[in-house]
Amino acid sequence: GAVVSQHPSWVICKSGTSVKIECRSLDFQATTMFWYRQFPKQSLMLMATSNEGSKATYEQGVEKDKFLINHASLTLSTLTVTSAHPEDSSFYICSAPTGNNEQFFGPGTRLTVL
Amino acid sequence: DAKTTQPTSMDCAEGRAANLPCNHSTISGNEYVYWYRQIHSQGPQYIIHGLKNNETNEMASLIITEDRKSSTLILPHATLRDTAVYYCIVRVGGGNQGGKLIFGQGTELSVKP
Repeated sequence: GAVVSQHPSWVICKSGTSVKIECRSLDFQATTMFWYRQFPKQSLMLMATSNEGSKATYEQGVEKDKFLINHASLTLSTLTVTSAHPEDSSFYICSAPTGNNEQFFGPGTRLTVL
Repeated sequence: DAKTTQPTSMDCAEGRAANLPCNHSTISGNEYVYWYRQIHSQGPQYIIHGLKNNETNEMASLIITEDRKSSTLILPHATLRDTAVYYCIVRVGGGNQGGKLIFGQGTELSVKP
């Protein structure tokens, strides 16, 4: 299947700093990408839809000023967790649909905020 | 949004077929059914998707009932590496360029020797 990558795979940061996570579609273009987060022993929760060339669409309850999304090109979306706090520690996962009704997920980024 | 209902957990003997059920009684006519699985600390892995017809690929088969209100994912010969959480999802909108995948709690499948 198509490949979606994420960078970094894990990151540890201090409280109050910002962290950027990249999501790339490696062998296809994606005008839309999705960002999820997953807490331990829970399911994935959709945070936002990243749209190339326009603003992201956030799910209810997700703070757009805290989770900044930029869809810089047809193969790259970034999620920046601003002023991170320990409660933001989570597993962040992106996905990208191909043009064939398929949607592939990245391997995830483990964020730990100290 | 069409929601799905899956059993919380299931066991399967290694080498036997694993049949994972999913109810999606409120599905609309143009909504696809997707199946993913997630092994601990990894991103979800795409398995298969379908609209009306039964589908088969190298990983699994998807059987969708005629009224489309339920489906079954079949892993024909389960191995220990198939132990994972399996998610049945009805895609919300999007056409062939995407559409949200809203995850439920999934079924935790344990394949036992």
